[in-house]
Amino acid sequence: GAGVSQSPRYKVAKRGQDVALRCDPISGHVSLFWYQQALGQGPEFLTYFQNEAQLDKSGLPSDRFFAERPEGSVSTLKIQRTQQEDSAVYLCASSLGIRYSNQPQHFGDGTRLSIL
Amino acid sequence: GQQVMQIPQYQHVQEGEDFTTYCNSSTTLSNIQWYKQRPGGHPVFLIQLVKSGEVKKQKRLTFQFGEAKKNSSLHITATQTTDVGTYFCAQHGGSQGNLIFGKGTKLSVKP
Repeated sequence: GAGVSQSPRYKVAKRGQDVALRCDPISGHVSLFWYQQALGQGPEFLTYFQNEAQLDKSGLPSDRFFAERPEGSVSTLKIQRTQQEDSAVYLCASSLGIRYSNQPQHFGDGTRLSIL
Repeated sequence: GQQVMQIPQYQHVQEGEDFTTYCNSSTTLSNIQWYKQRPGGHPVFLIQLVKSGEVKKQKRLTFQFGEAKKNSSLHITATQTTDVGTYFCAQHGGSQGNLIFGKGTKLSVKP
């Protein structure tokens, strides 16, 4: 596709439910990042993949958050036993190069997650 | 930890007025990127600055990187309603090239 695609666009879940958010990066992009953006704030880093390898997960707020990119393309961010503080927009970004290539990151439209 | 401070948080201008947002870091930056996020949209890359004292222009937008590579600014000349959105500066952080974003400056333009 032309850009980074994320689904669903909106997700409403009850507290305690598990959710899965999908990211389809730009074809051929090696690097994939997940960010969390709270209302009125800048995006905050969650985790990074280089191809299928998860090289950095230091931003994941708890062990309830899990991400994978098994074939080095599509990535899924899973949140188990959701809590109200998980409500945010989850952004996926991809870039062509590997780490420190300093290339621009291309963002998807995000998934707006609301936990009731 | 690493962070970039961005001011102002909000800016309301009349169409045609100029606008500037500033980004400051306590540490020397290897580079800095600027992104624009329209209301309800996603961050869109505008530019990257790498060299000390660098100045780049994109039509009505002028980007500067400080001589000490600790600050940067974005200046918009003669704002238009299409300039509405939040402007973020971002630095590379961590060991994997992830971006650390400032809190952003939200620009509103009154026609």
